[in-house]
Amino acid sequence: DAGVIQSPRHEVTEMGQEVTLRCKPISGHDYLFWYRQTMMRGLELLIYFNNNVPIDDSGMPEDRFSAKMPNASFSTLKIQPSEPRDSAVYFCASSSPGRTGTEAFFGQGTRLTVV
Amino acid sequence: AQRVTQPEKLLSVFKGAPVELKCNYSYSGSPELFWYVQYSRQRLQLLLRHISRESIKGFTADLNKGETSFHLKKPFAQEEDSAMYYCALRAGGGYNKLIFGAGTRLAVHP
Repeated sequence: DAGVIQSPRHEVTEMGQEVTLRCKPISGHDYLFWYRQTMMRGLELLIYFNNNVPIDDSGMPEDRFSAKMPNASFSTLKIQPSEPRDSAVYFCASSSPGRTGTEAFFGQGTRLTVV
Repeated sequence: AQRVTQPEKLLSVFKGAPVELKCNYSYSGSPELFWYVQYSRQRLQLLLRHISRESIKGFTADLNKGETSFHLKKPFAQEEDSAMYYCALRAGGGYNKLIFGAGTRLAVHP
């Protein structure tokens, strides 16, 4: 397995534009997490899914942020409209407590820059 | 509410010196604690978990429920230990919510 795959690796966009980040979890994993990493706040949990259902989205900063998981192998995090303060590295992670214990496996991240 | 606190943003030591990265948590239930590490240009990966009670790359961490701490220790730091370290807490009860602290950057100098 190639691990958790995120795309794109880098995204530069102008303020006000819509941004979509993508994630493919490890096959068979039933939990998927979205995190935002910044220098000031470290790794913040934005939202997580279990069996494609959002369980806790209390970390989503504003209504501009939305996340979906239409099937077990794909999830998106969308920001519309984007703002400069959204610039960060966004990580996706997946886990399967029943199969591989509670370890979470991370993707390489998407570095977002909003200018 | 669950919370993980890592009070130091940067820890700078010389090679061979002891290292202790601090982690405190807040959780009303029975916690499961982890340390994750992110080396330069690599993915965030699990370093160790408290239930395993193991030593990985010379690092150990003991869960102290009385002090609600899970500090990461290594007696003799190596240059290759330089990385970003994150303490994490898994909320149980079937929810599997995994939250992280702000992270501590460890810099080991020759």
